Amino acid sequence: GNSVTQMEGPVTLSEEAFLTINCTYTATGYPSLFWYVQYPGEGLQLLLKATKADDKGSNKGFEATYRKETTSFHLEKGSVQVSDSAVYFCALSEAGGSYIPTFGRGTSLIVHP
Amino acid sequence: EPEVTQTPSHQVTQMGQEVILRCVPISNHLYFYWYRQILGQKVEFLVSFYNNEISEKSEIFDDQFSVERPDGSNFTLKIRSTKLEDSAMYFCASSENTALPGNTIYFGEGSWLTVV
Repeated sequence: GNSVTQMEGPVTLSEEAFLTINCTYTATGYPSLFWYVQYPGEGLQLLLKATKADDKGSNKGFEATYRKETTSFHLEKGSVQVSDSAVYFCALSEAGGSYIPTFGRGTSLIVHP
Repeated sequence: EPEVTQTPSHQVTQMGQEVILRCVPISNHLYFYWYRQILGQKVEFLVSFYNNEISEKSEIFDDQFSVERPDGSNFTLKIRSTKLEDSAMYFCASSENTALPGNTIYFGEGSWLTVV
Protein backbone atom coordinates (compact mmCIF):
# COMPACT_ATOMS: atom_id res chain seq x y z
CA GLY A 1 0.00 0.00 0.00
CA ASN A 2 0.91 3.66 -0.11
CA SER A 3 2.93 5.22 2.65
CA VAL A 4 4.90 8.32 3.48
CA THR A 5 7.91 8.50 5.76
CA GLN A 6 9.13 11.77 7.21
CA MET A 7 12.15 12.57 9.27
CA GLU A 8 11.63 12.64 13.01
CA GLY A 9 11.29 15.98 14.69
CA PRO A 10 11.46 18.37 16.21
CA VAL A 11 13.79 20.23 13.92
CA THR A 12 15.21 23.22 15.77
CA LEU A 13 16.90 26.00 13.81
CA SER A 14 18.00 29.57 14.26
CA GLU A 15 16.40 32.26 12.14
CA GLU A 16 17.90 32.49 8.61
CA ALA A 17 19.20 28.92 8.71
CA PHE A 18 18.69 26.51 5.82
CA LEU A 19 15.89 24.00 6.23
CA THR A 20 15.53 20.50 4.87
CA ILE A 21 12.76 18.14 5.95
CA ASN A 22 13.10 14.74 4.34
CA CYS A 23 10.16 12.83 2.91
CA THR A 24 10.18 9.54 1.06
CA TYR A 25 7.23 7.62 -0.23
CA THR A 26 6.03 4.23 -1.35
CA ALA A 27 3.31 4.07 -3.97
CA THR A 28 1.99 1.53 -6.43
CA GLY A 29 1.41 3.99 -9.26
CA TYR A 30 2.25 7.58 -10.09
CA PRO A 31 1.29 9.68 -7.12
CA SER A 32 0.88 13.38 -6.66
CA LEU A 33 2.94 14.70 -3.75
CA PHE A 34 2.09 17.41 -1.26
CA TRP A 35 3.42 19.33 1.69
CA TYR A 36 0.84 20.57 4.18
CA VAL A 37 1.61 22.88 7.10
CA GLN A 38 -0.16 23.25 10.42
CA TYR A 39 0.51 26.46 12.30
CA PRO A 40 -0.28 26.48 16.04
CA GLY A 41 -4.02 26.48 16.65
CA GLU A 42 -4.89 26.11 12.96
CA GLY A 43 -5.85 23.36 10.54
CA LEU A 44 -3.64 21.75 7.91
CA GLN A 45 -3.05 24.04 4.93
CA LEU A 46 -1.65 23.06 1.57
CA LEU A 47 1.85 24.52 1.25
CA LEU A 48 2.88 23.15 -2.14
CA LYS A 49 2.40 20.21 -4.44
CA ALA A 50 3.82 18.43 -7.49
CA THR A 51 1.89 16.10 -9.73
CA LYS A 52 4.58 14.46 -11.84
CA ALA A 53 8.23 13.49 -11.74
CA ASP A 54 10.78 16.34 -11.79
CA ASP A 55 8.10 18.93 -11.04
CA LYS A 56 9.06 21.48 -8.41
CA GLY A 57 6.40 22.83 -6.11
CA SER A 58 7.08 26.17 -4.44
CA ASN A 59 5.33 28.60 -2.14
CA LYS A 60 6.35 31.18 0.50
CA GLY A 61 10.04 30.47 -0.11
CA PHE A 62 9.59 26.73 0.38
CA GLU A 63 10.23 24.30 -2.42
CA ALA A 64 10.26 20.58 -3.04
CA THR A 65 11.15 18.56 -6.12
CA TYR A 66 9.39 15.32 -7.06
CA ARG A 67 12.22 12.78 -7.46
CA LYS A 68 10.90 9.52 -8.86
CA GLU A 69 14.31 7.85 -8.93
CA THR A 70 14.76 8.29 -5.18
CA THR A 71 11.01 8.31 -4.34
CA SER A 72 11.52 11.53 -2.42
CA PHE A 73 9.94 14.94 -2.02
CA HIS A 74 12.18 16.79 0.43
CA LEU A 75 11.05 20.21 1.65
CA GLU A 76 13.62 23.02 1.61
CA LYS A 77 13.82 26.67 2.45
CA GLY A 78 16.89 28.80 2.15
CA SER A 79 16.29 31.07 5.14
CA VAL A 80 13.71 30.23 7.77
CA GLN A 81 11.86 32.74 9.91
CA VAL A 82 10.35 32.44 13.38
CA SER A 83 6.93 32.54 11.71
CA ASP A 84 7.74 29.28 9.90
CA SER A 85 7.50 27.42 13.21
CA ALA A 86 4.81 24.81 12.57
CA VAL A 87 4.25 21.13 11.89
CA TYR A 88 4.92 20.05 8.29
CA PHE A 89 3.17 17.03 6.76
CA CYS A 90 4.23 15.22 3.62
CA ALA A 91 1.43 13.47 1.75
CA LEU A 92 0.68 11.60 -1.46
CA SER A 93 -2.39 10.72 -3.44
CA GLU A 94 -2.99 8.60 -6.49
CA ALA A 95 -5.73 7.11 -8.61
CA GLY A 96 -5.55 3.74 -6.88
CA GLY A 97 -6.43 5.49 -3.64
CA SER A 98 -9.18 7.59 -5.20
CA TYR A 99 -6.85 10.56 -4.90
CA ILE A 100 -7.41 10.66 -1.14
CA PRO A 101 -4.20 11.87 0.51
CA THR A 102 -2.08 9.57 2.64
CA PHE A 103 -0.08 11.52 5.23
CA GLY A 104 3.11 11.09 7.14
CA ARG A 105 3.51 11.70 10.87
CA GLY A 106 4.44 15.33 10.54
CA THR A 107 7.70 17.04 11.43
CA SER A 108 7.69 19.84 13.95
CA LEU A 109 9.88 22.84 13.07
CA ILE A 110 10.92 25.28 15.78
CA VAL A 111 12.73 28.42 14.68
CA HIS A 112 14.48 30.54 17.32
CA PRO A 113 15.22 34.25 16.87
CA GLU B 1 -11.06 33.04 2.24
CA PRO B 2 -13.56 30.19 2.64
CA GLU B 3 -12.64 27.73 5.33
CA VAL B 4 -13.73 24.49 6.92
CA THR B 5 -14.97 25.02 10.47
CA GLN B 6 -15.16 22.40 13.19
CA THR B 7 -16.83 22.22 16.58
CA PRO B 8 -16.06 21.59 19.35
CA SER B 9 -12.38 22.43 19.41
CA HIS B 10 -11.90 20.18 22.42
CA GLN B 11 -14.17 17.62 24.06
CA VAL B 12 -13.61 15.40 27.05
CA THR B 13 -15.91 12.42 27.32
CA GLN B 14 -16.24 9.33 29.44
CA MET B 15 -15.56 5.91 27.95
CA GLY B 16 -18.71 4.41 26.49
CA GLN B 17 -20.36 7.72 25.78
CA GLU B 18 -21.48 8.82 22.33
CA VAL B 19 -19.71 11.77 20.74
CA ILE B 20 -20.69 13.86 17.74
CA LEU B 21 -18.09 16.02 16.06
CA ARG B 22 -19.41 18.69 13.73
CA CYS B 23 -18.01 20.27 10.62
CA VAL B 24 -19.12 22.88 8.13
CA PRO B 25 -17.30 22.24 4.85
CA ILE B 26 -16.58 24.92 2.28
CA SER B 27 -19.89 25.75 0.65
CA ASN B 28 -19.26 24.76 -2.99
CA HIS B 29 -17.33 21.61 -2.14
CA LEU B 30 -18.84 18.24 -2.93
CA TYR B 31 -16.48 15.79 -1.18
CA PHE B 32 -16.05 15.57 2.55
CA TYR B 33 -13.56 13.70 4.67
CA TRP B 34 -12.67 12.80 8.22
CA TYR B 35 -9.10 12.12 9.28
CA ARG B 36 -7.68 11.57 12.74
CA GLN B 37 -4.29 11.89 14.37
CA ILE B 38 -3.49 10.05 17.54
CA LEU B 39 -0.84 11.97 19.46
CA GLY B 40 2.58 11.37 17.92
CA GLN B 41 1.26 9.21 15.11
CA LYS B 42 0.32 9.67 11.47
CA VAL B 43 -2.66 11.59 10.18
CA GLU B 44 -4.95 8.68 9.24
CA PHE B 45 -7.80 8.66 6.75
CA LEU B 46 -11.13 7.57 8.18
CA VAL B 47 -13.83 8.16 5.60
CA SER B 48 -14.87 10.15 2.54
CA PHE B 49 -18.41 11.15 1.67
CA TYR B 50 -20.01 12.22 -1.56
CA ASN B 51 -23.56 12.62 -2.76
CA ASN B 52 -24.94 11.69 0.66
CA GLU B 53 -23.13 8.42 0.96
CA ILE B 54 -19.79 7.02 2.00
CA SER B 55 -17.45 6.73 -0.98
CA GLU B 56 -14.36 5.33 0.75
CA LYS B 57 -13.54 4.22 4.26
CA SER B 58 -10.51 2.82 6.02
CA GLU B 59 -10.20 -0.16 8.32
CA ILE B 60 -10.34 2.21 11.26
CA PHE B 61 -13.87 3.27 10.34
CA ASP B 62 -15.73 0.36 11.92
CA ASP B 63 -19.32 0.03 13.11
CA GLN B 64 -18.65 2.39 16.00
CA PHE B 65 -18.29 5.27 13.56
CA SER B 66 -20.89 6.89 11.35
CA VAL B 67 -21.10 10.03 9.26
CA GLU B 68 -24.05 12.12 8.25
CA ARG B 69 -24.92 15.26 6.39
CA PRO B 70 -28.07 16.16 8.29
CA ASP B 71 -28.71 19.38 6.37
CA GLY B 72 -27.20 21.37 3.54
CA SER B 73 -24.23 22.64 5.49
CA ASN B 74 -23.17 20.33 8.33
CA PHE B 75 -21.16 17.13 8.13
CA THR B 76 -20.91 15.09 11.32
CA LEU B 77 -18.84 12.22 12.67
CA LYS B 78 -20.46 10.14 15.37
CA ILE B 79 -18.62 7.72 17.60
CA ARG B 80 -21.23 5.49 19.21
CA SER B 81 -19.44 4.20 22.27
CA THR B 82 -16.08 5.83 22.77
CA LYS B 83 -12.99 3.91 23.81
CA LEU B 84 -9.79 5.22 25.33
CA GLU B 85 -7.99 4.61 22.04
CA ASP B 86 -10.39 6.99 20.25
CA SER B 87 -8.57 9.87 21.92
CA ALA B 88 -7.15 11.85 19.02
CA MET B 89 -7.38 15.02 16.98
CA TYR B 90 -10.14 14.62 14.39
CA PHE B 91 -9.84 16.67 11.22
CA CYS B 92 -12.67 17.39 8.86
CA ALA B 93 -11.82 18.31 5.27
CA SER B 94 -13.53 19.06 1.99
CA SER B 95 -12.67 19.35 -1.69
CA GLU B 96 -14.36 20.44 -4.87
CA ASN B 97 -13.75 17.14 -6.55
CA THR B 98 -11.65 14.08 -5.97
CA ALA B 99 -11.01 12.28 -9.20
CA LEU B 100 -8.11 14.38 -10.37
CA PRO B 101 -4.36 14.20 -9.81
CA GLY B 102 -3.22 16.81 -7.35
CA ASN B 103 -6.68 17.07 -5.82
CA THR B 104 -6.35 19.59 -2.98
CA ILE B 105 -8.35 19.08 0.17
CA TYR B 106 -8.97 21.82 2.70
CA PHE B 107 -8.85 21.04 6.39
CA GLY B 108 -10.51 22.42 9.47
CA GLU B 109 -8.62 23.24 12.66
CA GLY B 110 -9.46 19.92 14.22
CA SER B 111 -11.47 18.69 17.20
CA TRP B 112 -9.41 17.28 20.00
CA LEU B 113 -11.23 14.37 21.64
CA THR B 114 -10.09 13.05 25.00
CA VAL B 115 -11.73 9.87 26.28
CA VAL B 116 -11.30 9.25 30.01
